[in-house]
Amino acid sequence: AQTVTQSQPEMSVQEAETVTLSCTYDTSESNYYLFWYKQPPSRQMILVIRQEAYKQQNATENRFSVNFQKAAKSFSLKISDSQLGDTAMYFCAFTQTYNNDMRFGAGTRLTVKP
Amino acid sequence: GAVVSQHPSRVICKSGTSVKIECRSLDFQATTMFWYRQFPKQSLMLMATSNEGSKATYEQGVEKDKFLINHASLTLSTLTVTSAHPEDSSFYICSARDAQAGGLDEQFFGPGTRLTVL
Repeated sequence: AQTVTQSQPEMSVQEAETVTLSCTYDTSESNYYLFWYKQPPSRQMILVIRQEAYKQQNATENRFSVNFQKAAKSFSLKISDSQLGDTAMYFCAFTQTYNNDMRFGAGTRLTVKP
Repeated sequence: GAVVSQHPSRVICKSGTSVKIECRSLDFQATTMFWYRQFPKQSLMLMATSNEGSKATYEQGVEKDKFLINHASLTLSTLTVTSAHPEDSSFYICSARDAQAGGLDEQFFGPGTRLTVL
């Protein structure tokens, strides 16, 4: 079974600084997808960034980037120039193949302080 | 594009009654929809996978007779909580996979439904 582990229940960062959220996963498969989702107080799940396991290049979306270490099964999210609107729960997620279900980590509550 | 809606957004019901939650993909066809439950300050837990025109696949520990799922069309899946009890109170979230999305494997999430059973 695939598992996703987020070992940081809560983190905080000063506005405009950089923060990194950690995620590790366990799978025996070689093809899969990894995601970071943001869940603000509204509870709407918002896709932040995704990574295909077959791609060696780390994904980047504006201020968000990942450090994907396939051998180590690690998938961390770096948020640069943190903004107050980044305050939310962040979930790391894994899905094995097309049409398979998605497994989530326990989440990290990020607070951006002014 | 890729919008998923849920109805209702909030529902309060009495213990023993049944509640139906609808999940719709508004601008795409979804051959597969997923239902999650999220308790306060916890993560999303997959309850079941719903494929259009076939029976849902339930995760271990989820009672299929209590959580009835129907996926009758490519844009609609429903979750019915039968004989609801206070312990069923939770936030229910659906997601849908775009059948035309190719290999992106992204799920689009609905805004969730907060169920409170008195």
